[in-house]
Amino acid sequence: KNEVEQSPQNLTAQEGEFITINCSYSVGISALHWLQQHPGGGIVSLFMLSSGKKKHGRLIATINIQEKHSSLHITASHPRDSAVYICAVLTKETSGSRLTFGEGTQLTVNP
Amino acid sequence: EPEVTQTPSHQVTQMGQEVILRCVPISNHLYFYWYRQILGQKVEFLVSFYNNEISEKSEIFDDQFSVERPDGSNFTLKIRSTKLEDSAMYFCASSDFAGYQPQHFGDGTRLSIL
Repeated sequence: KNEVEQSPQNLTAQEGEFITINCSYSVGISALHWLQQHPGGGIVSLFMLSSGKKKHGRLIATINIQEKHSSLHITASHPRDSAVYICAVLTKETSGSRLTFGEGTQLTVNP
Repeated sequence: EPEVTQTPSHQVTQMGQEVILRCVPISNHLYFYWYRQILGQKVEFLVSFYNNEISEKSEIFDDQFSVERPDGSNFTLKIRSTKLEDSAMYFCASSDFAGYQPQHFGDGTRLSIL
C-alpha cells in the first residue's frame, strides 16, 4: 500500500469550475507539499504546510493532521491550470529531508 | 526569482557508459536532493546532501550512483555503468533548511539509455 494516496487520478473540468484534489497519507509527517508538474515535466512547489490552511491566488491548500488528509482547491479554474498535481510528504521517521510522493492527479481544464 | 538549473535537458547514453547529470542549486541553499521519475510512474527520492556529505539515501541509490559538490555552485549525480532501467527524468532540488522550507526543483534531465 502506498504511503501517500491521491484522488482522483484523473480530473476533467470546465473552465470556471471549483476543483478539489485529495491526498491521504498513512505515516507520521512533519510537513506536506503540493507540487505542480507541467506537461514538459518541470516541477513547481505550490505549498508546504504542516497545519491549517494556506492560500495563494486561486489556490488553497488545507491539512488535517488528525485525519491524515490534505486537500488542494482551485477556484475559478482555467485551462492554464491543466497539469499534474502531486502531493508529497516529509515523514517523521526519516531525517526530515526525504519526500515521499503520491502518484499525482492529472487535471485537464477545458475552455 | 532564483531558480535551480539542470544540464543537459536530455542525455542519450549507451548502456554501460558513465553519465554525469549536473545541477546548479539556488545560491544560498544548503540542502540538495536528487529525485527520479520513470516514465508514467511517481517521483522517487534518491538522495539528500548537506554539508558535503550524504544525509539520506534510498534503496535505489546503490553503489552505481554517487553525488558530489565539486565546487561552490555545482551539484552532480553520477551513474557509473548505466542500465536500461536507469532511463528516467532526474530532478535536482534545493532548499535552505531541510524540513522547514519548500524544496525548489529544476526542470529535470531526461536520461535515455540505449
